[in-house]
Amino acid sequence: AQRVTQPEKLLSVFKGAPVELKCNYSYSGSPELFWYVQYSRQRLQLLLRHISRESIKGFTADLNKGETSFHLKEPFAQEEDSAMYYCAPHSGGGADGLTFGKGTHLIIQP
Amino acid sequence: DGGITQSPKYLFRKEGQNVTLSCEQNLNHDAMYWYRQDPGQGLRLIYYSQIVNDFQKGDIAEGYSVSREKKESFPLTVTSAQKNPTAFYLCASSSINSGGPYGYTFGSGTRLTVV
Repeated sequence: AQRVTQPEKLLSVFKGAPVELKCNYSYSGSPELFWYVQYSRQRLQLLLRHISRESIKGFTADLNKGETSFHLKEPFAQEEDSAMYYCAPHSGGGADGLTFGKGTHLIIQP
Repeated sequence: DGGITQSPKYLFRKEGQNVTLSCEQNLNHDAMYWYRQDPGQGLRLIYYSQIVNDFQKGDIAEGYSVSREKKESFPLTVTSAQKNPTAFYLCASSSINSGGPYGYTFGSGTRLTVV
């Protein structure tokens, strides 16, 4: 069965500190991997996807196939980074629905 | 609100009633999805549709129904059979390529409360 785990419900760090949001998945094959973000009172939106290797707002995510992880990293957290973050692997081969993790609430303290 | 519109924003329903949530997109996306978001549960897939007149059950389809008569529209009906319908409902759409979706565009959501 496909599973995605975000072990931290809540993560609080001080402004300027590095941040790592953990995501582990259990999928057959090579899934496509996404991170989504939901800022307060805003829509859920795509933050980044692995295949494009993009970096948005300083966030990056490296796929580690050996550990089946796709952790999200930000070297210098800003207060505006406070939000809910969801990891979402996809098994590919069509549009049969992303499976989202339960999310991590990131709080950046001033 | 560009792209995908959900209405209404808030909806109150009496027990035993069916209600329909609207989702419309003008992005020319082939695929549309309904998710339910509960605190501590993340997003759970209810139904999805890849083409008009076709849809598939997601992980928690019981008590829900959908239709896809037009590419732009994917309404969700919460029936009286849904035991715990109070939740935040999110609609999304995506384009399709051979490698899977490019990523979803989400609506702003409908908060359904059973009174």
